[in-house]
Amino acid sequence: GAVVSQHPSWVICKSGTSVKIECRSLDFQATTMFWYRQFPKQSLMLMATSNEGSKATYEQGVEKDKFLINHASLTLSTLTVTSAHPEDSSFYICSARGWGARIYGYTFGSGTRLTVV
Amino acid sequence: LAKTTQPISMDSYEGQEVNITCSHNNIATNDYITWYQQFPSQGPRFIIQGYKTKVTNEVASLFIPADRKSSTLSLPRVSLSDTAVYYCLVGEFNTNAGKSTFGDGTTLTVKP
Repeated sequence: GAVVSQHPSWVICKSGTSVKIECRSLDFQATTMFWYRQFPKQSLMLMATSNEGSKATYEQGVEKDKFLINHASLTLSTLTVTSAHPEDSSFYICSARGWGARIYGYTFGSGTRLTVV
Repeated sequence: LAKTTQPISMDSYEGQEVNITCSHNNIATNDYITWYQQFPSQGPRFIIQGYKTKVTNEVASLFIPADRKSSTLSLPRVSLSDTAVYYCLVGEFNTNAGKSTFGDGTTLTVKP
């Protein structure tokens, strides 16, 4: 149990376009989902926390209008990078916590490599 | 949220036991300690979790002293495939108020 699926695993987009990343909990209900970004050889940086049915809470310094997070159901959260620029190129990872998960903590997705050209 | 401190890097050889210690001096009463492993371009993978004393599973052991201000992840007989970054997370996972903030992690390099 406790599987989180993240798609796509990699994406290349043109500067100025928007990209949507999906995070799904496959075998449990994710009451809370987290979004991280990770630059090469650095740790994961928490971007935002989303609870099902409510607005996401963003960490300081993260632009909520640029990184749109939707957590409309107990199994799906999406992160949309709007008007992407090369500096948004990074590795984005989601994690989920909720009912039915086997572990008492967080389950992570496999990550999405975003490259903006 | 408890801040964690780990060694930046460690080297080991195949077949050896590796112990990685994490300091979390301001751990709260309801906080659990969880260790994750991350390979390049992959999401972190759960290794082990504990609250106090010792926890053991099929891949690792976790030692937590009585004051809970530190924890040690023990990997028995490491292999080359254990080369990865290891993170310890401390947090109150069972409420919506809890969130996970990663420290810098420990890069373990296993040599032949």
